[in-house]
Amino acid sequence: DAGITQSPRHKVTETGTPVTLRCHQTENHRYMYWYRQDPGHGLRLIHYSYGVKDTDKGEVSDGYSVSRSKTEDFLLTLESATSSQTSVYFCATQKGGTGELFFGEGSRLTVL
Amino acid sequence: GESVGLHLPTLSVQEGDNSIINCAYSNSASDYFIWYKQESGKGPQFIIDIRSNMDKRQGQRVTVLLNKTVKHLSLQIAATQPGDSAVYFCAESYSGGYQKVTFGTGTKLQVIP
Repeated sequence: DAGITQSPRHKVTETGTPVTLRCHQTENHRYMYWYRQDPGHGLRLIHYSYGVKDTDKGEVSDGYSVSRSKTEDFLLTLESATSSQTSVYFCATQKGGTGELFFGEGSRLTVL
Repeated sequence: GESVGLHLPTLSVQEGDNSIINCAYSNSASDYFIWYKQESGKGPQFIIDIRSNMDKRQGQRVTVLLNKTVKHLSLQIAATQPGDSAVYFCAESYSGGYQKVTFGTGTKLQVIP
């Protein structure tokens, strides 16, 4: 395992509140990703990072922002949570720009 | 946009039999394919990968076959065990600075004891 820790693992919040999910890795992997997983959609890329302070949008980035101030931490922020953002969020890392992705255990977010 | 899909959403297999999970992809530029296994409540785990210059790759009890002509990928699991019960995802990516991975919707494998 690549030593990926996601926090919190479970969160229930109300519409309109800000939420931050944290991903911490201990493997010094350069690339980090945030995915969301929903029934019938598989895993969809939200944002990714290819280095400290270097981030870019994925296919479902609306309503989300990210930050990476250190190699080991990648934060996903929902500025104003909506019910459509109820999902399971997975962080993943990748050593180089290619090859195997290592996933965290997931963070289940419920927006009421 | 480009997408990766699966033929069967659920597959039930008797313990000890071989399992075959299929996947179709649409991006002819994809040059790297991966199979992931996801157990309930956990994140996906890498099983096996294959590059587009190959048509077959074998691992421990698993084999991945790639048919670029019909854009088809399959995962074969030999002597399926109860521990193989999970959701299996195929994924594709293409080179271009870095590889963005696109996942299919998943196939659930149920192993019948």
